[in-house]
Amino acid sequence: AAGVIQSPRHLIKEKRETATLKCYPIPRHDTVYWYQQGPGQDPQFLISFYEKMQSDKGSIPDRFSAQQFSDYHSELNMSSLELGDSALYFCASSLELQREGFNEQFFGPGTRLTVL
Amino acid sequence: AQSVTQLDSHVSVSEGTPVLLRCNYSSSYSPSLFWYVQHPNKGLQLLLKYTSAATLVKGINGFEAEFKKSETSFHLTKPSAHMSDAAEYFCVVSWSGGSNYKLTFGKGTLLTVNP
Repeated sequence: AAGVIQSPRHLIKEKRETATLKCYPIPRHDTVYWYQQGPGQDPQFLISFYEKMQSDKGSIPDRFSAQQFSDYHSELNMSSLELGDSALYFCASSLELQREGFNEQFFGPGTRLTVL
Repeated sequence: AQSVTQLDSHVSVSEGTPVLLRCNYSSSYSPSLFWYVQHPNKGLQLLLKYTSAATLVKGINGFEAEFKKSETSFHLTKPSAHMSDAAEYFCVVSWSGGSNYKLTFGKGTLLTVNP
């Protein structure tokens, strides 16, 4: 079965540079979530999109922005990168139309961002 | 707000012995609870989920968890540990804080399996 695809898998950037992470959800999934997992930390929710509209926002810095496109893929744009942005960034997708009091989020393999 | 507390940051067991990873939750509503596993340098894999159906939930790889409302617990167990079970385990609660659902993770429990 098709899974969530994230690209690139690894990314190395310098301080103050910009980075763009991409997420391709499972086909027919309409919701995308972004999470950030720092070294030795638990994943933290950043932002989510449902049907191309931002649906919720977590602890996402103002330097970051994201959007979901017409084909449901999503991009996380990160500007003025700082050393502390080094982390594993996960994307997850779900099908909200089948809301039954819960949703199952399927995670991609993550993009490991290293800021030097 | 909803949260989960994983009571042990590190659990070490011998191969073939039982595994118990403890999780307590705090929720104003009937929660949806999950256990995810993360192997080194890998993504997150769903082990099992509780969604207000049966309180004893069976997952993949022989893991199971029991939802106990009176104790606000959702502990993960496995009768016999295997070397391949060594990984980080996250207890997760799902809640709706907007128009859809987001996950709140516990701090994780690192499971070490000794030969």
